[in-house]
Amino acid sequence: DTGVSQDPRHKITKRGQNVTFRCDPISEHNRLYWYRQTLGQGPEFLTYFQNEAQLEKSRLLSDRFSAERPKGSFSTLEIQRTEQGDSAMYLCASSPNSGGTDTQYFGPGTRLTVL
Amino acid sequence: AQSVTQPDIHITVSEGASLELRCNYSYGATPYLFWYVQSPGQGLQLLLKYFSGDTLVQGIKGFEAEFKRSQSSFNLRKPSVHWSDAAEYFCAVGGTGTASKLTFGTGTRLQVTL
Repeated sequence: DTGVSQDPRHKITKRGQNVTFRCDPISEHNRLYWYRQTLGQGPEFLTYFQNEAQLEKSRLLSDRFSAERPKGSFSTLEIQRTEQGDSAMYLCASSPNSGGTDTQYFGPGTRLTVL
Repeated sequence: AQSVTQPDIHITVSEGASLELRCNYSYGATPYLFWYVQSPGQGLQLLLKYFSGDTLVQGIKGFEAEFKRSQSSFNLRKPSVHWSDAAEYFCAVGGTGTASKLTFGTGTRLQVTL
């Protein structure tokens, strides 16, 4: 049983650089979510895809953030011109399309450190 | 707007003792409720969920939770804690609308003493 995978697990970058994270959902899961978790906090919703369509974005997702899911399978989250405040754990989750709120299964996360 | 409150930031229990982690939610309709556990540096693992039906739900690792609509609560319990249960526990609420995002509480860190 393959779960949600994320790559890389850790990323250290300098302020101003661009970074890209990848998420591979559980096979045949139509929905894919991105969350951000800062130290001492619970995950906060960033954006969500139904297949390849990005259907909802949080106001937390500034113009420097962009997410794609081009073929309805894996997804990428790019942060341009990183800032120290972007340092966080970025979590990806997927769920089957069974209507309403599904159970979301999370990946191990990508920890971003911006120096 | 939906919200979750976990009033206890940090709890310490002895191994073998019982455990109850509190969760209060705010949601305008019937909520979908979840408990997740997170070990240091790891992602979230689902412990249990409540969608409808029996208000006492059983989960993995011997955990259970009870949905109490009148108190807007969904407390997590375990009769006998093991040292391996030490982790961060998150309660989350999702709506009954289409493809609802989850709103998480700030978490409760559980420490288990031997």
